This record gives sequence, C-alpha cells and structure tokens, in this order.
Amino acid sequence: DTAVSQTPKYLVTQMGNDKSIKCEQNLGHDTMYWYKQDSKKFLKIMFSYNNKELIINETVPNRFSPKSPDKAHLNLHINSLELGDSAVYFCASSPRGAGGRETQYFGPGTRLLVL
Amino acid sequence: GDSVTQMEGPVTLSEEAFLTINCTYTATGYPSLFWYVQYPGEGLQLLLKATKADDKGSNKGFEATYRKETTSFHLEKGSVQVSDSAVYFCALSDTGFQKLVFGTGTRLLVSP
Repeated sequence: DTAVSQTPKYLVTQMGNDKSIKCEQNLGHDTMYWYKQDSKKFLKIMFSYNNKELIINETVPNRFSPKSPDKAHLNLHINSLELGDSAVYFCASSPRGAGGRETQYFGPGTRLLVL
Repeated sequence: GDSVTQMEGPVTLSEEAFLTINCTYTATGYPSLFWYVQYPGEGLQLLLKATKADDKGSNKGFEATYRKETTSFHLEKGSVQVSDSAVYFCALSDTGFQKLVFGTGTRLLVSP
C-alpha cells in the first residue's frame, strides 16, 4: 500500500506547455507539501496546505498553482513551462500536531524534463 | 532565516568503515532535526529524528544526537555496508513552521 503516491513518475514536455502533477496520500494526514529538487539535489519547499488551506507559498512564480480538492490530494499545475522548471518534484504529507515535530512522508517524486 | 549546513560529498568508504556526516544548523526557534536518506532513483525516507536537546535518534545502526550547545546533529554509523550508499539529507523544522529546511545533501559511496 503506497502511502504517498505521485503521477506521473516521469514527464517530458516542450517549453511553453502546461502540465499537472498529481499527489495522493492515504495516511489520513492533514498537511501536504510540494518540494522541488534541482539538478544538484538541493531540496526546497514550494507550498504547503493544511486541510485544503494554503499555508506556505515560498516565492514560487505564479505559473505554479497548487490545488487541493480534499485533504488527501494536492495537485501541482504548471503553466508556460520553462527550461529552468526541469527538476524532481516531491509531494509529502504529515499529521497536524505540535508544529514542526511531525515526520513528513515523501512520495517517489516526479521527474520533469522541459525541452 | 533558518539554514542547515552539511559537509560536502561524496564521502567514499570501504565496507565496515566508520561513518560521520557533519550537520550544523541555525534556527530562530527551537527546531526538530531530521536525517532523511535518498537511495538512487527513489524518494526520501526518514532515517531518524530528534525533537529536543540531547535526544538521540537512531535507526538501522545510524545515530545522531541533538546538540543545542554546538547547534549540531551529526550522523554516525559504526560499520557501513554497500547498501548504505545513498544521499543523506540533514533537515530542520522550526517551531510552529510546517516546512522542512534541508541541507545540500551528502552522497555516500561504500565499496566492498
């Protein structure tokens, strides 16, 4: 049973296209996240949602729009893709609790390549 | 802002050698500290964590102790195996903030 799943696993597309990445967690967690891992393996938070409410938006371009239809899903839509968007995007989830102490559980990642 | 500094890699060791990966942090609050591991082609898995000073996290033979006085959380293992080859990330989550701040990662290569 996959705890945090993402689709697709690989995504190859042209510059200027619009694409979406889906994330689902079956852990019953209230909080979900998107992280970006660049070519040097550096990981940085993009967004976090708590029970469908946006909590963190870390100066991500407006071309990136997260959507949370329910607390088990957090999708990432990217408009007008650019070469610099090529990266691995990780979804994660955690229970809501004493802020900061909870473990985050990560999905397998989506490898996006923009040509 | 909060930050995590890890030693540069790659770290190359022979099987059964002793491992230390250094990690230091700066934080405005009282953070929880984590080590995550990423095996080739996979996502991140929690390796261990500590939520208060002097706590020791341990898992699969790996250990790290939360040292508030030196703002450190160094990862150690007494005898590494080839299967430990991976990228190791130190991370913190500050009080009241539900996000992880990661170090740059340290690649570990273990040869037979």
